[in-house]
Amino acid sequence: EAQVTQNPRYLITVTGKKLTVTCSQNMNHEYMSWYRQDPGLGLRQIYYSMNVEVTDKGDVPEGYKVSRKEKRNFPLILESPSPNQTSLYFCASSLSMRGGNQPQHFGDGTRLSIL
Amino acid sequence: KNEVEQSPQNLTAQEGEFITINCSYSVGISALHWLQQHPGGGIVSLFMLSSGKKKHGRLIATINIQEKHSSLHITASHPRDSAVYICAVSKASYDKVIFGPGTSLSVIP
Repeated sequence: EAQVTQNPRYLITVTGKKLTVTCSQNMNHEYMSWYRQDPGLGLRQIYYSMNVEVTDKGDVPEGYKVSRKEKRNFPLILESPSPNQTSLYFCASSLSMRGGNQPQHFGDGTRLSIL
Repeated sequence: KNEVEQSPQNLTAQEGEFITINCSYSVGISALHWLQQHPGGGIVSLFMLSSGKKKHGRLIATINIQEKHSSLHITASHPRDSAVYICAVSKASYDKVIFGPGTSLSVIP
């Protein structure tokens, strides 16, 4: 089954404790992206990757790191989490973000609470 | 001014009604996306389009590149269509994605 898998689904942690949210897709997609969703602010892009070893900043990259060493995986790293990073996070993938025929596939989301 | 705007912000309809949600954007794009998010959080991509019109079941999406405007139509609406509908654009040349604020739709039986 074609899917984007995020882990964990829920996490409560404390300020400053490094954490990684994993994202994996099994569709051989080139494009992968991380988004966060906050009440009143909607969805915003954190980082995206057009292919292996190619990553770019979205609108809200501060406090986050990503890597794309393999095509299928795109982990989101919070080196020193802070309470303002409490949010609902989505990973997504697509064959391409250009043209009109390659819709994004979204993971189920990761609800992150940082105390 | 936001680069992607949607109207209306909230919409309540009777079952069976024809529904239109609008999206306008102010940047050059390579594609426009319509997404659906039900209560509980999961996001589903409904359409990705760069020109013309697409239809899937009771859903129709259109885009007018010259006017920088897209519409999502739902025919014969049903309570299961109740969700937040989000317009997003892939910015031309950058592959960055920018989202609209969403339209919350409630279809009453």
